Amino acid sequence: AQSVTQLDSQVPVFEEAPVELRCNYSSSVSVYLFWYVQYPNQGLQLLLKYLSGSTLVKGINGFEAEFNKSQTSFHLRKPSVHISDTAEYFCAVTERYRTQGGSEKLVFGKGTKLTVNP
Amino acid sequence: DTGVSQDPRHKITKRGQNVTFRCDPISEHNRLYWYRQTLGQGPEFLTYFQNEAQLEKSRLLSDRFSAERPKGSFSTLEIQRTEQGDSAMYLCASSLEVRRVYGYTFGSGTRLTVV
Repeated sequence: AQSVTQLDSQVPVFEEAPVELRCNYSSSVSVYLFWYVQYPNQGLQLLLKYLSGSTLVKGINGFEAEFNKSQTSFHLRKPSVHISDTAEYFCAVTERYRTQGGSEKLVFGKGTKLTVNP
Repeated sequence: DTGVSQDPRHKITKRGQNVTFRCDPISEHNRLYWYRQTLGQGPEFLTYFQNEAQLEKSRLLSDRFSAERPKGSFSTLEIQRTEQGDSAMYLCASSLEVRRVYGYTFGSGTRLTVV
């Protein structure tokens, strides 16, 4: 079974400051990793995903994340945030080698609320 | 591509009543998922369909919950004899089973409040 820990439940930052949202995972099997963003009263939007290859993954809206296998981490970063980045961010994992026809069910962390202040 | 649609957006019901939610996935997507998100938590997997077949159910899906996907198109999630603990956002997502393509498209959710 997999689990995801998002170490910070809330992260307040000022506009144009850099931000890092931390995510650690636990799994007995290889996993794929994702970050989703959820704006108030909305569904989730995929920001980026790590499947294989380069451990630095670039996503939408200027976000990037780095996969660190030895530390079982997948931290999300943005060098300069904007007011519009205020939202809740979820890290998620799914089993890499699922059985044929098996679901790609995601296991999510509890989320990190990012608040960007002027 | 109109995205994943969920109806209704909000539902308030009295405890003990039955409710039904609908999800219309992206038309060519053959996989459909239901998740539940309670306050302060991340979404939790409930069930998964590939075409019309329900292939996986979470233990969270008690016998008061039933999901269907007739003809492999839209899906419904019914909750019978609702309880206050059922209050949550119910999210639907869909995806296309293409090799090495991962990541769902989520709908905006149905927020259920049981009073």
